[in-house]
Amino acid sequence: DQQVKQNSPSLSVQEGRISILNCDYTNSMFDYFLWYKKYPAEGPTFLISISSIKDKNEDGRFTVFLNKSAKHLSLHIVPSQPGDSAVYFCAALNYGGSQGNLIFGKGTKLSVKP
Amino acid sequence: GAGVSQSPSNKVTEKGKDVELRCDPISGHTALYWYRQSLGQGLEFLIYFQGNSAPDKSGLPSDRFSAERTGGSVSTLTIQRTQQEDSAVYLCASSLVSGSNEKLFFGSGTQLSVL
Repeated sequence: DQQVKQNSPSLSVQEGRISILNCDYTNSMFDYFLWYKKYPAEGPTFLISISSIKDKNEDGRFTVFLNKSAKHLSLHIVPSQPGDSAVYFCAALNYGGSQGNLIFGKGTKLSVKP
Repeated sequence: GAGVSQSPSNKVTEKGKDVELRCDPISGHTALYWYRQSLGQGLEFLIYFQGNSAPDKSGLPSDRFSAERTGGSVSTLTIQRTQQEDSAVYLCASSLVSGSNEKLFFGSGTQLSVL
C-alpha cells in the first residue's frame, strides 16, 4: 500500500515553460514533505521542503504547494531548464511517528527539451 | 570526506553468495539510513540507525538482510544467500539528527546485480 504516490512516471516540457510535478499521499499523519532530485548514477539530492503548517514554499525557480485537505502537493519549476532533467522524488515524514524515515514516491522523470 | 561515501559502486554476484555493502556517512551525522531502489520503483526504506539507539529494522525485506553500524559511524549492509530479486541500487544516507528538519544526504549508491 503506497502512502506516497507519484502517478506520472514521466513528464516532458519545453525549455522556458513551467514544469508541474504532482504527488499525493494517504497518511494524514504526515507533517513534513520534501522533494529530492536524482541524476543518473548519483544519489538523490534535497531540493525543497514544506511543513504542513504552510501551503507554499518558494526557493528561486522552485515552488512547492501543499493542499492538506486534498492530501496533495506539487512542485513547480519555472522557467524550466535542460539541466532540470532528472527524476524527482516526493517524500513525506511523520515527526510524531516511531520511525524517523522518509516515505518516498516512485519518482517522476522530467525531461526538459531545448 | 565531504559527502556520504559508498563502496563498492558496482557489485556483480552469483545467486546464493553473500555480499557486504559499505557506507561512510558524513562526519558528525548521527542518523544513518539504508534505502534501495529496484528497477522502476521508488526508494524503499530498509533500516535506520540513530545514535546509540536500537536500529529501526522494520523495512528489511527478509532475515537474509542485516546491517551494522560500528562506532556510530561506518555501516555495513549484509545480504546473505543473494537472490535475483535483490538486484537493485542500494543507497545510504545520513543526516545530522533523525526525525527533525534535517534533510538526508545520499551517497551515490551501490548497484547490485545478482546473476
